[in-house]
Amino acid sequence: QSALTQPPSTSGSPGQSVTISCTGTSNDVGGYNYVSWYQQHPDKAPKLIIYEVSRRPSGVPDRFSASKSGNTASLTVSGLQADDEAYYYCISYAGSDSWVFGGGTKLTVL
Amino acid sequence: QVQLQESGPGLVQPSETLSLVCTVSGVSIKNYYWNWIRQPPGKGLEWVAFISNSGSTNYNPSLNGRGTISVDTSKNQIYLRLTSLTPADTAVYYCARGYRSGYFDWGQGTLVTVSS
Repeated sequence: QSALTQPPSTSGSPGQSVTISCTGTSNDVGGYNYVSWYQQHPDKAPKLIIYEVSRRPSGVPDRFSASKSGNTASLTVSGLQADDEAYYYCISYAGSDSWVFGGGTKLTVL
Repeated sequence: QVQLQESGPGLVQPSETLSLVCTVSGVSIKNYYWNWIRQPPGKGLEWVAFISNSGSTNYNPSLNGRGTISVDTSKNQIYLRLTSLTPADTAVYYCARGYRSGYFDWGQGTLVTVSS
């Protein structure tokens, strides 16, 4: 199982939008509509913000959106706010009750 | 409201066995799927183990057969046992509820340090 590829870092100014990519293979991201995204603030547990590629759990602002094309999933954070500064991780189901994780992207709000 | 609380020894000697407990409140664990996920200090997340509501299990191949996940439905607890520890197993260990769709609920994590 290879890890999913995410950019190590990205940044944006308040109010702007940023997009984080998550690239896998046809055995994980491309093969299943089971990509999820998590936000993790320092010294906190991860929080689910997107599941099943593009669905938002209750309580997650619609500033967070996501999609998938082929073997690459993407998370877009619109209207950046200071509290959006965090690490973001993608996770994909990889079949046979196994999962692959992205390495994480640090989002800095300038 | 689902709450998960991990507990563990904190410090473990190399080559020894780690035993972690995740105590769940708010739902019956027998109705859901459960996972252990870890995060080495300053690094990313890594899936460790999975157990279904029927008791089927699976493990990250990187564990090389050292892990065992189990549950006690009478106590509403999930367990992780990891043998032959090395410093590379030093991490915050999280338990999480979820399956293919995603991990919907997480505990706050418990730090395990493997050191002599």
